[in-house]
Amino acid sequence: KAGVTQTPRYLIKTRGQQVTLSCSPISGHRSVSWYQQTPGQGLQFLFEYFSETQRNKGNFPGRFSGRQFSNSRSEMNVSTLELGDSALYLCASSLDAAIEAFFGQGTRLTVV
Amino acid sequence: GQQLNQSPQSMFIQEGEDVSMNCTSSSIFNTWLWYKQDPGEGPVLLIALYKAGELTSNGRLTAQFGITRKDSFLNISASIPSDVGIYFCAGLTSGTYKYIFGTGTRLKVLA
Repeated sequence: KAGVTQTPRYLIKTRGQQVTLSCSPISGHRSVSWYQQTPGQGLQFLFEYFSETQRNKGNFPGRFSGRQFSNSRSEMNVSTLELGDSALYLCASSLDAAIEAFFGQGTRLTVV
Repeated sequence: GQQLNQSPQSMFIQEGEDVSMNCTSSSIFNTWLWYKQDPGEGPVLLIALYKAGELTSNGRLTAQFGITRKDSFLNISASIPSDVGIYFCAGLTSGTYKYIFGTGTRLKVLA
């Protein structure tokens, strides 16, 4: 069965712009989580959605937002991009949050 | 941000050797996961643990959920060159809906 699909794979944006990243979970999975990975901070939790409801949010500024659609696909948005937002953004899906989570290949965002 | 302590940070080993790494936390977890990540790719799930004391194997990999629920261990037997990569542990507390990841162990295998 198809894995977690993230689009786009690579993105270059300019400071001040906004960006939207997309994640299609494994079929039947209703929980989608987003993580930011940087060399300095490692993998940091952004937010988790289940059945279109955000159940938890990490310690990121309000410029980071997300949503989940009725088909469980999820998007995350970052507004007013800063250089420090350059990172690998990873999406993970699971049947529910307390069990095994499967990651996509990630979106590499570079802010210049 | 919050991260779990993983050790060792990195290790060079000879092909055929066994490898051990561990992850410790100050918090109690209900679920432990172990992942392997190759450069530029997303983490790939290796083993999932759901019960204190649980010992689970996946081929040459064996992981254990610590009895205190504050630690977990991963062993790789008879390492091969394709075991190269970064290994991450992740812990979750029920009701929080988020995994906390370890700092990673970078494994390098010398043929």
